[in-house]
Amino acid sequence: DGGITQSPKYLFRKEGQNVTLSCEQNLNHDAMYWYRQDPGQGLRLIYYSQIVNDFQKGDIAEGYSVSREKKESFPLTVTSAQKNPTAFYLCASSRDSSYNEQFFGPGTRLTVL
Amino acid sequence: GESVGLHLPTLSVQEGDNSIINCAYSNSASDYFIWYKQESGKGPQFIIDIRSNMDKRQGQRVTVLLNKTVKHLSLQIAATQPGDSAVYFCAEIKSGYSTLTFGKGTMLLVSP
Repeated sequence: DGGITQSPKYLFRKEGQNVTLSCEQNLNHDAMYWYRQDPGQGLRLIYYSQIVNDFQKGDIAEGYSVSREKKESFPLTVTSAQKNPTAFYLCASSRDSSYNEQFFGPGTRLTVL
Repeated sequence: GESVGLHLPTLSVQEGDNSIINCAYSNSASDYFIWYKQESGKGPQFIIDIRSNMDKRQGQRVTVLLNKTVKHLSLQIAATQPGDSAVYFCAEIKSGYSTLTFGKGTMLLVSP
């Protein structure tokens, strides 16, 4: 099956710990994105990557970090600097940055205790 | 800053009715719009898109209308079914940009 996978589906962490969320795609897409969704809210862009070894900050990058060492993988680290990390995190990809339709993964719900 | 917003946060309809979900956008430079459907606990799914050089596009049971004069986008769902119950988001992309800006979403509730 082609698609985007995110793991785990649910994640619990203690306050002050860094945590890394996984996102993998086998669609051969160049561009990948991370969004944060809070209850009853729309999606806000955290980071995006248009090509391997390159990424840009989105609207709410503070307290997050990413890497893009492989085309198919775009992990997101939620650091202890993120003041309110509990949220639903969504990863997406698109064929390239000029082809705008984005395909989304199933999401990871992160709860910081 | 500029944003994409929605008129109605919740829309309740009966099965078989037609549904209309509205979206206002503020950036006149936006040239591409997408409607997504998100079921509870899942990632958004692409429904239909439209470019700014069009004013109407039809899919299976869905139609998107774009009125650039008043910066308004709507999604029409024909013969709404219980499986259509979800949150619907509109998203826009500005010319020359590669990222989407999402609205807050409208919850569509379909009762049998």
